[in-house]
Amino acid sequence: DIQMTQSPSTLSASVGDRVSITCRASQSISRSLAWYQHKPGKAPQLLISEATSLESGVPSRFSGSGSGTEFTLTISSLQPDDFATYYCQQHYSGGSFGGGTKVEIK
Amino acid sequence: EVQLVESGGGLVQPGGSLRLSCAASGFTFTSHWMSWVRQAPGKGLEWVANIKQDGSVKGYVDSVRGRFTISRDNAKKSLSLQMNSLRAEDAAVYHCVREGLGSGRILDFWGQGTLVTVSS
Repeated sequence: DIQMTQSPSTLSASVGDRVSITCRASQSISRSLAWYQHKPGKAPQLLISEATSLESGVPSRFSGSGSGTEFTLTISSLQPDDFATYYCQQHYSGGSFGGGTKVEIK
Repeated sequence: EVQLVESGGGLVQPGGSLRLSCAASGFTFTSHWMSWVRQAPGKGLEWVANIKQDGSVKGYVDSVRGRFTISRDNAKKSLSLQMNSLRAEDAAVYHCVREGLGSGRILDFWGQGTLVTVSS
């Protein structure tokens, strides 16, 4: 099974900050990596798939990079609506998720 | 508008059974694999099971294989999850999720979920 490790588990930041979240896979997954945003009581939302492909309607301040075993989600200028928990997920084999990164207000 | 509406959650005793349902609308149901993903209290997301468009292929996470059964009724545009021999660790919010076209488990639309509590 492919294990996904996210860091940090919690990130404190201010509106306007540039933030980055890292996701590492236990083996190469090529570019088969997705990022999701999840707010309490709401349905998770797909932000990025295939490591870098932004979903329709997702603001351009979100971007993804990486391949192989190391990936990054970057928010270029944090907005009030972005405070949430973010998950990576490998869609190479089995669909396992990372443990999540909670982005909270500093 | 795409909609996935789950139902059937509730309180069940350990060892008991529960059947979750998901009503889909706003898209061509027969074009998509469908999944169930759960989130236990205070924990992260965990993919549980999925099913091919025609129901001929099903996949399960190891922890539920042999206890849970995923199924779909394409005529009714519905997805189900039969959960037997429930354990405390199965307690979670269960989300019905659409997989993207040709995607290989990219989860492109989620329902809000239904809560399953396993307790005596």
